[in-house]
Amino acid sequence: AQKITQTQPGMFVQEKEAVTLDCTYDTSDQSYGLFWYKQPSSGEMIFLIYQGSYDEQNATEGRYSLNFQKARKSANLVISASQLGDSAMYFCAMREPYAYSGAGSYQLTFGKGTKLSVIP
Amino acid sequence: KAGVTQTPRYLIKTRGQQVTLSCSPISGHRSVSWYQQTPGQGLQFLFEYFSETQRNKGNFPGRFSGRQFSNSRSEMNVSTLELGDSALYLCASSLGGGPRDEQYFGPGTRLTVT
Repeated sequence: AQKITQTQPGMFVQEKEAVTLDCTYDTSDQSYGLFWYKQPSSGEMIFLIYQGSYDEQNATEGRYSLNFQKARKSANLVISASQLGDSAMYFCAMREPYAYSGAGSYQLTFGKGTKLSVIP
Repeated sequence: KAGVTQTPRYLIKTRGQQVTLSCSPISGHRSVSWYQQTPGQGLQFLFEYFSETQRNKGNFPGRFSGRQFSNSRSEMNVSTLELGDSALYLCASSLGGGPRDEQYFGPGTRLTVT
């Protein structure tokens, strides 16, 4: 079973509008971390935003916000005021286990990604 | 602060050959992870090194190996290359501990096996 599910292979959004990219995850751990990355055509993965499973407030980073619904196991990325430079692949990822203290072994499990195209 | 660097950026090899990819993490980062990205399989975790020790390994054959040096730089080696090894290989570095340990990725090495 997939641990990270991104159901939207591709999406279009008008410039200056907001867009929501969906992500659901599956884990039995209580402690985990959720990430969103952006990958332009150049290939480099760019970190956007992070949400810890124990964080009570939704994470925000500039135009990016994460709509975290723990009971539903969803972590949707919201991009406000889309720009042409936002056109890229977007990946949701989960890190587990998630240790508050000390170094621990972990890996990121990625979803299949959503290709976002911003229309002028 | 310099980001994660990977060399070479592009590589063309022939089946049966071996290849070594290099990754220099962000200064101060002790953890280096490697990922393989292909159109069919997406992003898959290869392995993670922390303080010169392999801490975690993904589900890849033994042809894939790596190591980390005392300065945290890491190399990944693939022996007896197969056509299916053609992929973008991404390296990511992180501090190696703590609750908000984001991974920062390099630009990747695009390997083509012919």
